[in-house]
Amino acid sequence: GNSVTQMEGPVTLSEEAFLTINCTYTATGYPSLFWYVQYPGEGLQLLLKATKADDKGSNKGFEATYRKETTSFHLEKGSVQVSDSAVYFCALSKSGGYQKVTFGTGTKLQVIP
Amino acid sequence: EAGVAQSPRYKIIEKRQSVAFWCNPISGHATLYWYQQILGQGPKLLIQFQNNGVVDDSQLPKDRFSAERLKGVDSTLKIQPAKLEDSAVYLCASSLDPYPNEKLFFGSGTQLSVL
Repeated sequence: GNSVTQMEGPVTLSEEAFLTINCTYTATGYPSLFWYVQYPGEGLQLLLKATKADDKGSNKGFEATYRKETTSFHLEKGSVQVSDSAVYFCALSKSGGYQKVTFGTGTKLQVIP
Repeated sequence: EAGVAQSPRYKIIEKRQSVAFWCNPISGHATLYWYQQILGQGPKLLIQFQNNGVVDDSQLPKDRFSAERLKGVDSTLKIQPAKLEDSAVYLCASSLDPYPNEKLFFGSGTQLSVL
């Protein structure tokens, strides 16, 4: 079946540091890939997405590129801020028919001043 | 626009008791999802509705969990009787359509503790 594997957290970085959160997936067909973010006390919200190979999703300074050859969708940001502290979830949605979104376990990011 | 509303925010019950959660999706969203998020794990889909019909309940423990979506709008998820392992955050989400690229909008969740 479909699955998503994320790097374990927590990840602690100093402000302005470079961020990478690794995500790899297993899926049949050509899934769509997502990063969702959960800020403290809030619900999950979509950060970015990519729907086909070599697509790059971007939002709020975050980027992720759909790499079919390595089945990866790593999240990157060049300079993190304290306000980026949150839990980040990698997810995929199977192709064809009704959407079924499979989430990874989440990676907690803490940015310290 | 108003987001996905869920209630209650927290619930503490003893095992073998019953509990119900309520969700009001974003107006006009045809697809509604209930997810279970156990501490340290990612959200797991329990049930997915398209309007008032069920399109996926393959991971719903049907001996104790039930869900309905009245008139294709609000939804209620019930657990009866609860077990200790049901302690989790129950998330409701909605999307405009059920297709694979659609963005999901999540509520803040209901945190359930079963003692």
